[in-house]
Order: sequence, then structure tokens, then C-alpha cells
Amino acid sequence: QKEVEQNSGPLSVPEGAIASLNCTYSDRGSQSFFWYRQYSGKSPELIMSIYSNGDKEDGRFTAQLNKASQYVSLLIRDSQPSDSATYLCAVVDNAGNMLTFGGGTRLMVKP
Amino acid sequence: EAQVTQNPRYLITVTGKKLTVTCSQNMNHEYMSWYRQDPGLGLRQIYYSMNVEVTDKGDVPEGYKVSRKEKRNFPLILESPSPNQTSLYFCASSHATSQSSYNEQFFGPGTRLTVL
Repeated sequence: QKEVEQNSGPLSVPEGAIASLNCTYSDRGSQSFFWYRQYSGKSPELIMSIYSNGDKEDGRFTAQLNKASQYVSLLIRDSQPSDSATYLCAVVDNAGNMLTFGGGTRLMVKP
Repeated sequence: EAQVTQNPRYLITVTGKKLTVTCSQNMNHEYMSWYRQDPGLGLRQIYYSMNVEVTDKGDVPEGYKVSRKEKRNFPLILESPSPNQTSLYFCASSHATSQSSYNEQFFGPGTRLTVL
């Protein structure tokens, strides 16, 4: 059973701070990694994808991947109250066919 | 507008009464998938389809059926629903490449199903 683990939170940060969200996965052969944001009662939306080790930046978001340690993280700089949501980590298996989601981390950004 | 649509959005039914939740996408995506989302368990994949007439089981396929007769449609069928299938269901689609079936997945708005 492939597993993707996230701390359920809530993670509370003040407005303007950096929010750090972490995810670990069990399938060493995993090849693709995604971060989705889900507002309460809404469907998930993709905010970042990362495929190789290192950092990938997109605006206020930075995804970090370390395949040797089997973890992927998401940094949100200058956090805003509108960033308050549940963040889902998703990992594609070695064959490229199965996508497994973590349970999500609830982020709360306080004004 | 590029989108994934699901119907119905809300459904209350009784145990054993067959139901179908429809899913349709207008982006010509090869890959479609169904998930259920339950508190504390996250999103779990039920079935997926890599193209027309090609379907496969995900993590939790028991009690569900799917079909992919057309590229745009991927209905989820519950032949005999039970209360443990009460959940929030999402359909998703993505463009498949030779490297992976997963690129950006577009999710439908969700269907909240209650089985009494």
C-alpha cells in the first residue's frame, strides 16, 4: 500500500509569514509530485507540480523535492488570509498510473 | 470554458437503489478518474481510465463500476449503494503524455452522496 503522509494541522501562521507544509511518501520509485489547494466545500486545484530534486518557484510558492529522503514540501511566502485552505500532497507511482493523495494539511493564516 | 461537470451535485438515496453519477469533460483529455473524499482519509482513487474502453481499479473500487464508451464521459455507477458509500465524490481529468498519465488534473465540482 503506497502511502503519502501529511500532518493534518491546523497549521496557524500570521499574515506575512512563511508557511511550510511537508509531505512524505513511501514509494521510492515515485516520479511526479503535486500540491493541490482545496478550499472548504470546493474541489482541489493544482498550485504546483515538481518532478526533479531541488526547488521550483512560482510566485509566492516554492515546492521542494528530495527523492533520497522521500519528502516534498511547499513553502508559501508572505502568507495571506486567502491562503487559508487545506493543502493536499499527491504522488504518482513509478508506473505513472496511480495518483495517491495525502490526507491534507489545513492552513490558517491569521490577519 | 474548459471544465469538468458532474451531476447530480447532491443526492440522497436509500440502500440498494442503483444510481449513476455522470462526469463529462470538454478538454479532450485522455485520462479520467473518480475519487471519494472522507474526513480524515483524504482523497482516495476509485477507478481511472487512460482512454476509451480502458479502465482500471484504484485504491477503493469495491461497490463501484465505471465505463468509458466515449472520451468525454466517465460515469460512476453504484449498483447497490450502502451507507458506507456516503461520501463526497470528485471526477477529474487530465491530458496524458508518454511519461505519465498525470499532468495537471482538473477536478469537477463534486457530488455529495448520502445513502440512508
